[in-house]
Amino acid sequence: DAKTTQPTSMDCAEGRAANLPCNHSTISGNEYVYWYRQIHSQGPQYIIHGLKNNETNEMASLIITEDRKSSTLILPHATLRDTAVYYCIVRVALGGTSYGKLTFGQGTILTVHP
Amino acid sequence: GAVVSQHPSWVICKSGTSVKIECRSLDFQATTMFWYRQFPKQSLMLMATSNEGSKATYEQGVEKDKFLINHASLTLSTLTVTSAHPEDSSFYICSARDPQLTDLSNEQFFGPGTRLTVL
Repeated sequence: DAKTTQPTSMDCAEGRAANLPCNHSTISGNEYVYWYRQIHSQGPQYIIHGLKNNETNEMASLIITEDRKSSTLILPHATLRDTAVYYCIVRVALGGTSYGKLTFGQGTILTVHP
Repeated sequence: GAVVSQHPSWVICKSGTSVKIECRSLDFQATTMFWYRQFPKQSLMLMATSNEGSKATYEQGVEKDKFLINHASLTLSTLTVTSAHPEDSSFYICSARDPQLTDLSNEQFFGPGTRLTVL
């Protein structure tokens, strides 16, 4: 699976949008971009995923560049409860030999402050 | 969404003893479960992939004789840390996938984790 690069940490004011970047310049054509987050001392939580189109759900939006070499996770109105480590992961989905395995990088520590 | 539970949520044991951690899928059948380990201020590291009814596949560097994995049913996988030592103290997290779900976003669900402290 392709590796990802994320900033170590970011800050965001409560109520503002949090934009978390991820670089995945070696992504392959059959690899999806997944985002998970981990609140302190809990298991990871799925946020969103995409292949090449922008995606939006009740938690966040995912913007993937046209060349798919980078993406941005957007939390439109960050709250204090969004403080967590955010992981950007690229991996194949159906049919790949690494199907099901998630390789976690260091992630971005997002701190939302009042 | 689907729920994965772990038991116990935390455990303290003496060096040299064995500790069993359970991972259960509560409302779906998980043919595949994954075990991760996370040291303080570090990311999750995959230890092994557990398939129901067959032997687990361990990642490079993980001792299969020390970390015994059993996936005897479609809703339960266990990780036994044998002869635990202080360096085994860590946060152990399992995840499970339901192959019946075709929605990629619901593919894998994580448990809440088990904090192991070996004295």
